Amino acid sequence: EIVLTQSPGTLSLSPGEGATLSCMASQSISSSYIAWYQQKPGQAPRLLIFGASSRAAGIPDRFSGSGSGTDFTITISRLEPEDFAVYYCQQYGTSPYTFGQGTKVEIK
Amino acid sequence: QVQLVESGGGVVQPGGSLRLSCSASGFTFSFFPMHWVRQAPGRGLEWVSVLSYDGNTKNYADSVKGRFTISRDTSNNTLYLQMNSLRAEDTAVYYCTKGLTPPRVLVNGPAGNWGQGTLVTVSS
Repeated sequence: EIVLTQSPGTLSLSPGEGATLSCMASQSISSSYIAWYQQKPGQAPRLLIFGASSRAAGIPDRFSGSGSGTDFTITISRLEPEDFAVYYCQQYGTSPYTFGQGTKVEIK
Repeated sequence: QVQLVESGGGVVQPGGSLRLSCSASGFTFSFFPMHWVRQAPGRGLEWVSVLSYDGNTKNYADSVKGRFTISRDTSNNTLYLQMNSLRAEDTAVYYCTKGLTPPRVLVNGPAGNWGQGTLVTVSS
C-alpha cells in the first residue's frame, strides 16, 4: 500500500500568518489523486482540496494545493481563527486509499 | 442537500458482529461511489472500504479484508458495512462518505460529503 507521510506533526502559528503543510508519498500518485481534509474537534472531516490543486465547493481561496508525483503541499495564505485544526492528506489513486497521519495547526 | 446518517454502532464483544447502516438523501444514491472511513479514539483517519457507483467493485483496507463487507440497497438509499470477527483495534467512529465524482462515471474520487459518524466499541 502507498504510505503517506505528513510534516510537520504540529505547526504553531499566529492568526494572519501563512502555513505550508507537506505530504510525501512512498510511490508516485496516479493522476495526482491527492485530497486534503480539515478536521476540527468533535466534527467530521471536511474536504478542502482534490486532484492535488482543485478547491472543493465553498472552500475559501486562501487554501491552495500543489504538487505532483510523490510530493504534495497545501498552503493557507493567511490563517483565520477557524483554520486551526488537524489536516489530513489522502491518496485515492490506488486502493487501499490511504491517509497521512495528520498535521495539527495550533495557535501559537 | 446531501445528507448521510449513520446508525448501528454500539458495544460488541471481541469476535462478535455488527452491521452499520448509512441512510443517504439529497442525491441519486446509485450514481456515486460510497466509502467507509474510521477513526479510532484520539487517532487519525483510516480508509476502510469503497463501493463503486455500479455496485460491481468493492475494495477494502488490508486490516479489514475478509472480515468486513460493504453493500447497499438502492431501493431505500442505504449503505451497509457488515463487520464480523471484530477486534479491539476495530474500535472507532465509523463515517459514511459520498465519493466526489461525476455521476455514473467509473473514476476514483475523494470523500466529498461525510456523515456525523457512529461509534463502535469492541470490548469484553
